[in-house]
Amino acid sequence: GAGVSQSPSNKVTEKGKDVELRCDPISGHTALYWYRQSLGQGLEFLIYFQGNSAPDKSGLPSDRFSAERTGGSVSTLTIQRTQQEDSAVYLCASSLGGAGGETQYFGPGTRLLVL
Amino acid sequence: SQQGEEDPQALSIQEGENATMNCSYKTSINNLQWYRQNSGRGLVHLILIRSNEREKHSGRLRVTLDTSKKSSSLLITASRAADTASYFCATDAGGTSYGKLTFGQGTILTVHP
Repeated sequence: GAGVSQSPSNKVTEKGKDVELRCDPISGHTALYWYRQSLGQGLEFLIYFQGNSAPDKSGLPSDRFSAERTGGSVSTLTIQRTQQEDSAVYLCASSLGGAGGETQYFGPGTRLLVL
Repeated sequence: SQQGEEDPQALSIQEGENATMNCSYKTSINNLQWYRQNSGRGLVHLILIRSNEREKHSGRLRVTLDTSKKSSSLLITASRAADTASYFCATDAGGTSYGKLTFGQGTILTVHP
């Protein structure tokens, strides 16, 4: 079946602009995750959605970052007033969730460059 | 902060040789997962091993877990040039941290034809 998809693949923006990154999880997966990969920080957890529960936002680096998941499926990660340090690859993953469903399947990522 | 620490940071071997990568972590875990990444893009899941398991196999891959030492190893047997990639371990601490993977810095594996 189809894997996790993300769009756009690449995004170049100017400092101060807002950006939206999209993630389509694997159909039927109740859990969705956002991570960020940068040269200086490696792979970092950002936010986690599980079903209809309130998301775990503990990894978001600042209040300029937010994410939503509509209808339990597609998710959008929004970065407001982008800064150069936001440049990174943003990875989305999904999993079945629950016991036995912990394996996370990753999308190809969105490479964000803030000029 | 990165809980998992991979060792070595880089590994260069010839095709046909075995490659062993190690991962150490600091806190108790629910499970540990190994991933492969090519060209800095998407992560491919390799194996998940739970805290009550000691060893798992998948094709040419063998993963061990020693919770008393808080360490895991990934063995790739009979390596191929196509195995060239970065390999990451990631821990899931469970509980209130369930699902929040903490990744190590990765091991860069180069397999020469």
